[in-house]
Amino acid sequence: DAGITQSPRYKITETGRQVTLMCHQTWSHSYMFWYRQDLGHGLRLIYYSAAADITDKGEVPDGYVVSRSKTENFPLTLESATRSQTSVYFCASREPVSGAYNEQFFGPGTRLTVL
Amino acid sequence: DAKTTQPTSMDCAEGRAANLPCNHSTISGNEYVYWYRQIHSQGPQYIIHGLKNNETNEMASLIITEDRKSSTLILPHATLRDTAVYYCIVVTGTASKLTFGTGTRLQVTL
Repeated sequence: DAGITQSPRYKITETGRQVTLMCHQTWSHSYMFWYRQDLGHGLRLIYYSAAADITDKGEVPDGYVVSRSKTENFPLTLESATRSQTSVYFCASREPVSGAYNEQFFGPGTRLTVL
Repeated sequence: DAKTTQPTSMDCAEGRAANLPCNHSTISGNEYVYWYRQIHSQGPQYIIHGLKNNETNEMASLIITEDRKSSTLILPHATLRDTAVYYCIVVTGTASKLTFGTGTRLQVTL
């Protein structure tokens, strides 16, 4: 299917476990992003990537690790999950900005619960 | 990026125009105004953006004041499906990333 997909859509894990959230896009967009959204709040940027093998921290990177070995994939790993990482995680992608057109395309989200 | 201020929530009757304001008094000359919306439990969706001229597309219109310190997103004929959180974002044209605030929760009612 064309577009941007996330897996799993729902995940329950325990404190201290490692969890990896997957993001896959079929457009070959160079930029990819990970956000988290806590109940009643806006989205906060965790990490982003401008191209394969290029990643950079966002607003709330602590406790998360990302990699981008292929353009189409951008996995997010919680190395040792904590309860404060219970959230909805959104992945997004976009092309390099052209003429100030800065549209990001978002995936459906992964709802993660850490017990 | 300039800070934006939006009302927490607004109501609108179905079929009426929904006018969502955004203040961005510290906007600089090279910053654009972007609007996204997030329908319940979904990822945000791009609506429209502008620099200083008014803009219109199939989804909405964007009115930016002459001094560019505020803007209004207009949904000309709101429907129940427009119920969502609307985010106003100010960012330079070449910015790598967007900063989402808490937005305005628009409730469209019958």
